[in-house]
Amino acid sequence: NAGVTQTPKFQVLKTGQSMTLQCAQDMNHNSMYWYRQDPGMGLRLIYYSASEGTTDKGEVPNGYNVSRLNKREFSLRLESAAPSQTSVYFCASSEGSTAYEQYFGPGTRLTVT
Amino acid sequence: AQKITQTQPGMFVQEKEAVTLDCTYDTSDPSYGLFWYKQPSSGEMIFLIYQGSYDQQNATEGRYSLNFQKARKSANLVISASQLGDSAMYFCAMRDRGTSYGKLTFGQGTILTVHP
Repeated sequence: NAGVTQTPKFQVLKTGQSMTLQCAQDMNHNSMYWYRQDPGMGLRLIYYSASEGTTDKGEVPNGYNVSRLNKREFSLRLESAAPSQTSVYFCASSEGSTAYEQYFGPGTRLTVT
Repeated sequence: AQKITQTQPGMFVQEKEAVTLDCTYDTSDPSYGLFWYKQPSSGEMIFLIYQGSYDQQNATEGRYSLNFQKARKSANLVISASQLGDSAMYFCAMRDRGTSYGKLTFGQGTILTVHP
C-alpha cells in the first residue's frame, strides 16, 4: 500500500506557464482533496471531490482547476502560473463524509518565478 | 471567519517533560470533529488524534491526549514524556457539518522544539 502519492515532488515554473499536479490513492477512498500550505499558515483547501465524478471549490480555488479522473486519481491544474501560487501542495483522501481521518500525500513544492 | 485558532507560534519543552499545545475553535454546529496533525521537517502530515463533539471522554493515543473543554471551545493537545522526535509543527483542525465530505479547516500551527 503506497497510500497517497503525488508527482512531482518539486517544480519550478515561470510566470504564465501551466502544469498539472498528479495525485493517486490506493486505499479505495471516495473523497479526495487539494490543499496549499504557505509559510506560517495552516493548510487551506483549494478543491475537493466528495466522490468520483464530482468536484467542488474550497476556500482558495482561484487560478486552479481539478479533474477527478477516476476513483484513484485527482489532478490539480494551474493554467497560468503566478508567483502568488508558490506554495507546497498537498493531496489528501478519506473514506467519505463520515470518515474522520484524512491521509495526506508527501506534498509538491512549487516555485513560480 | 477564523474557525481554528492556535495562539502559540512556538513552544519549547525539555525532553521527558509534558507539554500542552493550545487550540480554540468556533462553530455553531453541535456536531463536529477536532483533529491534530504533526508535520515534521520532512514535510509530511501525520494524523495524531481525533475528538468528536459528542464523545464523552477525552481522546487518548499513546503519549498524546486531547484536553477537550466543550464549553470553552478548546481542544488542547497534551504530549506526555516529550521526545526529541516530537520536534515538529503541530496543526489543529476541525470538521463541522458546514464542511461536509470531510473537509478540514486548519489552524496556523505551533512549532514545538524539544530540548535534550
